[in-house]
Amino acid sequence: GEDVEQSLFLSVREGDSSVINCTYTDSSSTYLYWYKQEPGAGLQLLTYIFSNMDMKQDQRLTVLLNKKDKHLSLRIADTQTGDSAIYFCAEKVRRDDKIIFGKGTRLHILP
Amino acid sequence: EPEVTQTPSHQVTQMGQEVILRCVPISNHLYFYWYRQILGQKVEFLVSFYNNEISEKSEIFDDQFSVERPDGSNFTLKIRSTKLEDSAMYFCASSDFQGNSGNTIYFGEGSWLTVV
Repeated sequence: GEDVEQSLFLSVREGDSSVINCTYTDSSSTYLYWYKQEPGAGLQLLTYIFSNMDMKQDQRLTVLLNKKDKHLSLRIADTQTGDSAIYFCAEKVRRDDKIIFGKGTRLHILP
Repeated sequence: EPEVTQTPSHQVTQMGQEVILRCVPISNHLYFYWYRQILGQKVEFLVSFYNNEISEKSEIFDDQFSVERPDGSNFTLKIRSTKLEDSAMYFCASSDFQGNSGNTIYFGEGSWLTVV
């Protein structure tokens, strides 16, 4: 079945790197996504990775995918106060199908 | 950058009333979705829509819910006889899955429904 798991909270000092982890269960996942949700706001697509890739970098964001372990991570370099949000991992298992979200990781930035 | 737009941003309705949430997906997209997020909980899939019909729906999407694409631009979610537990943020999303968007799904800002 489809299930996406994330830790619920992460606290990081401003300027440090944040690493948000996610595990998924469906081995037929084709794309994996990271969405950001600021308080009271919608879901902003941050980045995504195709399942045949190991890594994708986009400015301060680095996505690592370990397909064997079904583990996805999002690293945010030089974390800023504006990065404070809930980060959702999501997977897509078939071409014309839905995406399934994890419960989200709330990132808290310490001064 | 093109975006998914939703109206209303916030609606308060009395229990038992019908609600219609509206969405304008990105214009060249072919796949449309509704998700909901109860306060403090995960984002849950409700329904996907392609080629003028429902392609998949979750257990949440029972007879109380319906979707429609009444014209070439709007995509609506109707909730009949609302219940208190329908209070949530409802997100519309769209994708083309064939173009340069890389199989990404774009979400609107959400419609916050409060049932009293």
